[in-house]
Amino acid sequence: GAVVSQHPSWVICKSGTSVKIECRSLDFQATTMFWYRQFPKQSLMLMATSNEGSKATYEQGVEKDKFLINHASLTLSTLTVTSAHPEDSSFYICSASSTGVIGYTFGSGTRLTVV
Amino acid sequence: AQSVTQLDSQVPVFEEAPVELRCNYSSSVSVYLFWYVQYPNQGLQLLLKYLSGSTLVKGINGFEAEFNKSQTSFHLRKPSVHISDTAEYFCAVTRAAGNKLTFGGGTRVLVKP
Repeated sequence: GAVVSQHPSWVICKSGTSVKIECRSLDFQATTMFWYRQFPKQSLMLMATSNEGSKATYEQGVEKDKFLINHASLTLSTLTVTSAHPEDSSFYICSASSTGVIGYTFGSGTRLTVV
Repeated sequence: AQSVTQLDSQVPVFEEAPVELRCNYSSSVSVYLFWYVQYPNQGLQLLLKYLSGSTLVKGINGFEAEFNKSQTSFHLRKPSVHISDTAEYFCAVTRAAGNKLTFGGGTRVLVKP
């Protein structure tokens, strides 16, 4: 079945530094990628949607200059948290879908801790 | 716009007992419905989905769900739970392929021995 590899699975960084999270679709073409943020014991909050080769569409309230999303190929999308602060600590999950396919494959998530 | 309501935030259940997780949605158009399971510090795993056809959908790990259009519901059931079913469960909808998913708030299932 479809697999999305997300890494790192966890990362600890210092306040003010940037962190990049990668999601790769291993056996299908991810024409659309979704990036979510999840706080403890809460549901997933969509941050942005990106289509391959296009600029990402950010949800209201999500700072696009802080959360940089790149989707340059059909198998790779990245989320970069720039100038991270402790309040950015969270669980980040990506999800991929293909054109015409009604289904979504999720990555395994990245636990980001900013100290 | 669509929305999803999971009526129970937590469901404690004894091992080998049945469980039902309730999900109601609202939408002005037809939707596709999904149930996902999330184990601690992991991504989401698809349990089952309703796209069209038979309203009773069977999924993995013995789960099934029934789509009820008149009641706009998509409740998830399992006749006999195991300790390993302890997890968070999310109901989600979308109105078209490739569109964003709208998630419910989640239901935490705790299976007790």
